Amino acid sequence: LAKTTQPISMDSYEGQEVNITCSHNNIATNDYITWYQQFPSQGPRFIIQGYKTKVTNEVASLFIPADRKSSTLSLPRVSLSDTAVYYCLVGGLSSGSARQLTFGSGTQLTVLP
Amino acid sequence: GAVVSQHPSWVICKSGTSVKIECRSLDFQATTMFWYRQFPKQSLMLMATSNEGSKATYEQGVEKDKFLINHASLTLSTLTVTSAHPEDSSFYICSAPGQGSANEQFFGPGTRLTVL
Repeated sequence: LAKTTQPISMDSYEGQEVNITCSHNNIATNDYITWYQQFPSQGPRFIIQGYKTKVTNEVASLFIPADRKSSTLSLPRVSLSDTAVYYCLVGGLSSGSARQLTFGSGTQLTVLP
Repeated sequence: GAVVSQHPSWVICKSGTSVKIECRSLDFQATTMFWYRQFPKQSLMLMATSNEGSKATYEQGVEKDKFLINHASLTLSTLTVTSAHPEDSSFYICSAPGQGSANEQFFGPGTRLTVL
């Protein structure tokens, strides 16, 4: 299972773009990269998933370089309600192992007014 | 998107009692569900994989006789914390994999267990 490394915490101000980078140096060929958001006392919520290059949805973008050893979650124009913990996960259920569900430490994003 | 529910959302019990937590997939079937535990200010830790119609698979260090898992149908998995003690107080979260993408999990809202 590819281990992930993220900054423990980040602060930002409302309206700014926030980029959270995750390192996953031993990512396997069939691994996907997935990001989740978790608010206090709630279950994590899926944000975005990608395999390579760039993926964009209505809430975020995910940038993955060619070597796939890292990825960057980009949140445009954050608001106070984006204050949460963001987790980067690497793996794929196609491998047949539940171990792809190992959560790293996550990044506590605090958006300030 | 797919919805996973948990019941109860919180429970307070006395030390030595058993507590059952239910995890349901509301609009899809889940042959596999996962149970996590999360202590304050910490990340989620996978406890076990619940398999419909067969025994659960427990992660190293998780006592299978203490955390009983039953996956009797394609939409329901239960976690029973037997003879609960204060150190079992935690936030318990279940999840089920999505039907399509390789890594998307749908998480329940969690159950806050407090053992007095």
